[in-house]
Amino acid sequence: TQLLEQSPQFLSIQEGENLTVYCNSSSVFSSLQWYRQEPGEGPVLLVTVVTGGEVKKLKRLTFQFGDARKDSSLHITAAQPGDTGLYLCAVSAQKLVFGQGTRLTINP
Amino acid sequence: NAGVMQNPRHLVRRRGQEARLRCSPMKGHSHVYWYRQLPEEGLKFMVYLQKENIIDESGMPKERFSAEFPKEGPSILRIQQVVRGDSAAYFCASSPGGPLGTQYFGPGTRLLVL
Repeated sequence: TQLLEQSPQFLSIQEGENLTVYCNSSSVFSSLQWYRQEPGEGPVLLVTVVTGGEVKKLKRLTFQFGDARKDSSLHITAAQPGDTGLYLCAVSAQKLVFGQGTRLTINP
Repeated sequence: NAGVMQNPRHLVRRRGQEARLRCSPMKGHSHVYWYRQLPEEGLKFMVYLQKENIIDESGMPKERFSAEFPKEGPSILRIQQVVRGDSAAYFCASSPGGPLGTQYFGPGTRLLVL
């Protein structure tokens, strides 16, 4: 059983569309991180959310931590081909535990 | 300021051979983590080391896998007698403090076992 369930697993949309991906769990976390991994590279940290209900924006990306700190969402506005990649959520205890990721493809 | 470096980037081994993966952490980082990523999956923790010490190896397979982080030189992940199921991308991360801080990932080593 996965600690973090990410959905959808795969998403392919056209440039300019909006999208939301989700990271869900039945456990409560003190913080949650989102990473983006491009083909052939390691994951790069995008954001850490800490407070229940917190919203953080990174240009066209909006991250939200659920009120109960069990889930999180990532919303991308006006997606661009450069947003293509594997989006991973992760939580940190003594080690990072990752979800299985959402593989996002933005078609020009 | 160089990031985390891993080499080789690609490694091909035949079944039964040994694989040695190297990781040089960012300058000033004394904490190193190894993760494995199977195709179409997220990363799975393997081991956490702090200079010369293994802190947490709860994700390491019991046999054939070992890791070290000597006082001088890179961290090494060693896989003996590789099998096809070992084919994966292996990522190293480093941090200046313990695991609750930000971990910075290297580009990975892609191991293919024929």
